[in-house]
Amino acid sequence: AQSVTQLGSHVSVSEGALVLLRCNYSSSVPPYLFWYVQYPNQGLQLLLKYTSAATLVKGINGFEAEFKKSETSFHLTKPSAHMSDAAEYFCAVSLHNAGKSTFGDGTTLTVKP
Amino acid sequence: DTGVSQDPRHKITKRGQNVTFRCDPISEHNRLYWYRQTLGQGPEFLTYFQNEAQLEKSRLLSDRFSAERPKGSFSTLEIQRTEQGDSAMYLCASSTTAEGGDQPQHFGDGTRLSIL
Repeated sequence: AQSVTQLGSHVSVSEGALVLLRCNYSSSVPPYLFWYVQYPNQGLQLLLKYTSAATLVKGINGFEAEFKKSETSFHLTKPSAHMSDAAEYFCAVSLHNAGKSTFGDGTTLTVKP
Repeated sequence: DTGVSQDPRHKITKRGQNVTFRCDPISEHNRLYWYRQTLGQGPEFLTYFQNEAQLEKSRLLSDRFSAERPKGSFSTLEIQRTEQGDSAMYLCASSTTAEGGDQPQHFGDGTRLSIL
């Protein structure tokens, strides 16, 4: 069984500041890990994914995440926040790149001007 | 790639009524998933299809819920005798296990169900 814990349901940063959203996972087998972004009344958009090729994964909109097996973590970062980054972010784990995912409860990112 | 399409976007109905949602996946995707998302939580898996076969159903999917994908293309999710607790966003996603490489899920914009 897999599970995901997102630490911090709300994160607030100033525009231009570093964004760090935390995700820890539990999986009995090597996992596939994903970060999604969700804007109000919309579905989920894939930001990036880890599929064992490289531990540092670069995604869209300047986001990246690092897979750390020893810490069972897959934290999402962005060097400089933009106002348009304000949204809800979900970390997810799957046994398969194309398989069903187990999601965390999400982190709402607020960006202050 | 026209994306995953869900219809309707919003549904308001009285408790006890039946509702049906439709999902049209990306055309070349052989897998189709249904998730339910309530306020403040991440999506929860309900069921998935590979082509027309329903391969897995969550324990969340009570007997009042049924899903079909008759020709391996679009899918419908029906909820019978709706209850207040069914109010949620219902998300559809599709993916492919193609020989060229598996592709992760693409999500539709969801159907928001409100039970009066």
